[in-house]
Amino acid sequence: QVQLVQSGAEVRKPGASVKVSCKASGYTFISYPIHWVRQAPGQRPEWLGWINVGNGNTKYSQNFQARVTITTVTSANTAYIEVSSLTSGDTAVYYCARDAPLAPGFDYWGQGTLVTVSS
Amino acid sequence: QLTQSPSSLSASVGDRVTITCRASQGITTYVAWYQQKPGKAPKLLIYGASTLHSGVPSRFSGSGSGTDFSLTISSLQPEDFATYYCQQFKTYPLTFGPGTKVDIK
Repeated sequence: QVQLVQSGAEVRKPGASVKVSCKASGYTFISYPIHWVRQAPGQRPEWLGWINVGNGNTKYSQNFQARVTITTVTSANTAYIEVSSLTSGDTAVYYCARDAPLAPGFDYWGQGTLVTVSS
Repeated sequence: QLTQSPSSLSASVGDRVTITCRASQGITTYVAWYQQKPGKAPKLLIYGASTLHSGVPSRFSGSGSGTDFSLTISSLQPEDFATYYCQQFKTYPLTFGPGTKVDIK
């Protein structure tokens, strides 16, 4: 069965960076794009960007383009998101999600990784 | 930009519930609907505005095109109490609506 398993919770100080991983299993990793979404407490989900795993092309939200980098290691079936210059406003649960095969929609999601930014 | 109404509603088991999502500009049918329960990732219900995702109960349905969309639950079940979000895929950045919380009356 399709699974996306993310790395554990992280705590960082303002100004630091964080890198979250998302390991895929149960399907052909290079065949489906991976998106990253974050959700602050009590807020709606917020899309950060996506990667075409097959060719490595990326697209980022303009709101985060300068601070977010999405990569993959295809030999390990793993996607990553790195967020730099963290502030308290980046405290959120970060999710990876797979793009559905038939039409736009995120059909499988990771369990989420809580990133806390605090001095 | 997406708006949803209502922002919350109280309903009973067996009720028919409709949630609406409005886009500030036309997005054809590039809309998905998700259900989210506390502490869990969103779960895909509907894509392409009206296509039921595999494994989702048939009491869920979606409709609409252009700027106005709706998600209907024909007979609310206990496991349906959750927050529902619409999402548009027409333009970047991909965005979610503010959510509709459905709780027990």
